[in-house]
Amino acid sequence: SQKIEQNSEALNIQEGKTATLTCNYTNYSPAYLQWYRQDPGRGPVFLLLIRENEKEKRKERLKVTFDTTLKQSLFHITASQPADSATYLCALENTESGYSTLTFGKGTMLLVSP
Amino acid sequence: NAGVMQNPRHLVRRRGQEARLRCSPMKGHSHVYWYRQLPEEGLKFMVYLQKENIIDESGMPKERFSAEFPKEGPSILRIQQVVRGDSAAYFCASSPNSGDSAFFGQGTRLTVV
Repeated sequence: SQKIEQNSEALNIQEGKTATLTCNYTNYSPAYLQWYRQDPGRGPVFLLLIRENEKEKRKERLKVTFDTTLKQSLFHITASQPADSATYLCALENTESGYSTLTFGKGTMLLVSP
Repeated sequence: NAGVMQNPRHLVRRRGQEARLRCSPMKGHSHVYWYRQLPEEGLKFMVYLQKENIIDESGMPKERFSAEFPKEGPSILRIQQVVRGDSAAYFCASSPNSGDSAFFGQGTRLTVV
């Protein structure tokens, strides 16, 4: 069966360090993968999209890698700040129904302490 | 350019009543998606619509739930005869094209009492 796995345990790191979040998937062949940020009581906010032919994508302090052989994406936040504390969601393209929609992982909570 | 607008933000319904959730996509976006999120759960895809058409409703329960996106006006997610298990946050997202990044609204939190 199809699965998207993100670490369910919160990731606690100190301000200034690099946070690395993992997204593993099985039985998907996504053409792209996306990362979103969600704060409590708010809707998800799009951060980055990476396509299957791209190994790495960067945006300011954010970096995403996509390894279609390992079926894994890593999401890095460098020089982390307390304001980066949130839940980060990985989303894959799902074409099982014949149409392109997004399937989300459950997310990993990141806590950055000063 | 206003973002995706959902209303109401909070909705309380008694068991057996109907819930109507509205979503106005971003200007220029013709693709609308509805998701449901339960506490400690991920976002679950429900339905994908384009103007006047349901494209994919594979994630929506067959009974009591329906969705529409008319030519004029917002997209509506309707839940008839609500039950306690329908209590959740319902998010709407829009995109200009299929496969693009999705812009989410702030959600409607439905509580069934």
